Amino acid sequence: DGGITQSPKYLFRKEGQNVTLSCEQNLNHDAMYWYRQDPGQGLRLIYYSQIVNDFQKGDIAEGYSVSREKKESFPLTVTSAQKNPTAFYLCASSIDGGTLGSNEQFFGPGTRLTVL
Amino acid sequence: GENVEQHPSTLSVQEGDSAVIKCTYSDSASNYFPWYKQELGKRPQLIIDIRSNVGEKKDQRIAVTLNKTAKHFSLHITETQPEDSAVYFCAAKKRFGNEKLTFGTGTRLTIIP
Repeated sequence: DGGITQSPKYLFRKEGQNVTLSCEQNLNHDAMYWYRQDPGQGLRLIYYSQIVNDFQKGDIAEGYSVSREKKESFPLTVTSAQKNPTAFYLCASSIDGGTLGSNEQFFGPGTRLTVL
Repeated sequence: GENVEQHPSTLSVQEGDSAVIKCTYSDSASNYFPWYKQELGKRPQLIIDIRSNVGEKKDQRIAVTLNKTAKHFSLHITETQPEDSAVYFCAAKKRFGNEKLTFGTGTRLTIIP
């Protein structure tokens, strides 16, 4: 299961605080993704990045921000503007964004964020 | 954008029986359909995928069928075993291009010993 890591596994924050979730991969993948997983709602895309220094909003980007300064890192910040931030967050990567036909996404172990 | 619906949300089958999970998609341009398995407390992992130029693909006890006309695809698991218990997600996207992967809402499969 190595190759893409997330930290921490569990994170607790007070309401109103920003928090940053880490995602690192050593697979030399160009594309990286952030998903939010809630019971009964599947995986919803927050942000994705197909190449360094570039990223796009997904379906539920409001209240979140990302950066992609390095190929191997794609941190996600959950801001105080996110109305319901308590969830399980999954990071994923793929060789590219699908432009060359490679589509398999490899997931990290996830971070469970609880806002008190 | 693409919309993927997945049914059922929960499924219980006796060990040794078959399980079928169905998904429908809305965008006729979608041509790549993967299935991911997420065991309890673990990360999702790709188990099988199918591209629109084929109607069926098998890998041991797992098979996926695709009906492009009806815009639906299904996961079939035969001779189910306890380790098949997990949440299964279908997804759809255009294979080439930077379109995102759209996931279904998941099916919790429980194998009854």
